[in-house]
Amino acid sequence: DAGVIQSPRHEVTEMGQEVTLRCKPISGHNSLFWYRQTMMRGLELLIYFNNNVPIDDSGMPEDRFSAKMPNASFSTLKIQPSEPRDSAVYFCASSFDRASYEQYFGPGTRLTVT
Amino acid sequence: DQQVKQNSPSLSVQEGRISILNCDYTNSMFDYFLWYKKYPAEGPTFLISISSIKDKNEDGRFTVFLNKSAKHLSLHIVPSQPGDSAVYFCAASGYNNAGNMLTFGGGTRLMVKP
Repeated sequence: DAGVIQSPRHEVTEMGQEVTLRCKPISGHNSLFWYRQTMMRGLELLIYFNNNVPIDDSGMPEDRFSAKMPNASFSTLKIQPSEPRDSAVYFCASSFDRASYEQYFGPGTRLTVT
Repeated sequence: DQQVKQNSPSLSVQEGRISILNCDYTNSMFDYFLWYKKYPAEGPTFLISISSIKDKNEDGRFTVFLNKSAKHLSLHIVPSQPGDSAVYFCAASGYNNAGNMLTFGGGTRLMVKP
């Protein structure tokens, strides 16, 4: 069991550039979550997919952020254009299904926007 | 408005003694609570959970207590070990039509001194 896989682990980019973060959930898990961790706001949920369909995106900060899940084994979180205030650690997590409480987290992507 | 709060940002404990981490919540609809542990440069990992129908759950050195009337839960680690040094997050969930989304507290950094 490889766990949740995220790439890249670190991303440094300049303001205005497009950033794409990638996530592969645990095989067989039907729910996928994107979180952002900052010092100020802690760990906050951005968007939640179930069976590849976005269920709740109320945590997405603004239109610059978008997320897709084209199939059960892959999801992306895109920021376009990126801003310095987007600097944070972004985590992807998956759970077995929408009735499962336990979520399994990936190692995170540390994003720095200069 | 923070629905889940961990009021102690850090805690220092001597090896072998008990560590007590606290968490308060405001939403009475929460019915399941989890504790996650996070090491630097890694994603949070699930530690222990408790349903609202219980007031205690024990797993080895880790025990979670839930006081529903006070909307308070705590994690006890005994005896504490240096390897327990990490950031601990409490999380709460209340199932709704969208499924089991977690709301996280801000975390408490535990340092266990040898």
